[in-house]
Amino acid sequence: KAGVTQTPRYLIKTRGQQVTLSCSPISGHRSVSWYQQTPGQGLQFLFEYFSETQRNKGNFPGRFSGRQFSNSRSEMNVSTLELGDSALYLCASSFLGANSYNEQFFGPGTRLTVL
Amino acid sequence: GQQVMQIPQYQHVQEGEDFTTYCNSSTTLSNIQWYKQRPGGHPVFLIQLVKSGEVKKQKRLTFQFGEAKKNSSLHITATQTTDVGTYFCAIGNSGGGADGLTFGKGTHLIIQP
Repeated sequence: KAGVTQTPRYLIKTRGQQVTLSCSPISGHRSVSWYQQTPGQGLQFLFEYFSETQRNKGNFPGRFSGRQFSNSRSEMNVSTLELGDSALYLCASSFLGANSYNEQFFGPGTRLTVL
Repeated sequence: GQQVMQIPQYQHVQEGEDFTTYCNSSTTLSNIQWYKQRPGGHPVFLIQLVKSGEVKKQKRLTFQFGEAKKNSSLHITATQTTDVGTYFCAIGNSGGGADGLTFGKGTHLIIQP
């Protein structure tokens, strides 16, 4: 079974631009969650999509948004990029949902650098 | 949301020595998960603990869930270079419902050969 894939793996943008990241979950998984990982703040939950609906949202500004398609693939968008958005963005998929009872399968991440 | 404190932040050990990382919560947890992230890699699920006082073993790794379900630990016996990485605990944002995961800050295990 193929794992979670994320594209692109690396991205360099400048302040003020916007970016779209993509995540393809494991086949059959309906839940896709997004996390931001930085050295200072660690792993922080952004949001979760389940069957095309945003089910949960972390404490991030509205510049961070996402969506999920009918094939469970998900995209995350960050608008008006700031220097502090530089991070590793990880997506995780699971069959039942993004909670502590379900194993989360993480993708390799997208390394975003904002200049 | 719920928070979990993880200590220590860094742990340097000689190969062959033991290693322990701890996670503590001020509130009672429904359960807790542990993940490992190798340098340059992504988090990989290790285990889930649900019951009060639960102890689970995976080869040289021993996971414990406290009796009050407010703390957990991961102990590695006789570390090897393959154990290098960051170990995270993770809890549900609210009672195990579909509210995302809150991760501890992680413990970076550094092994000197």
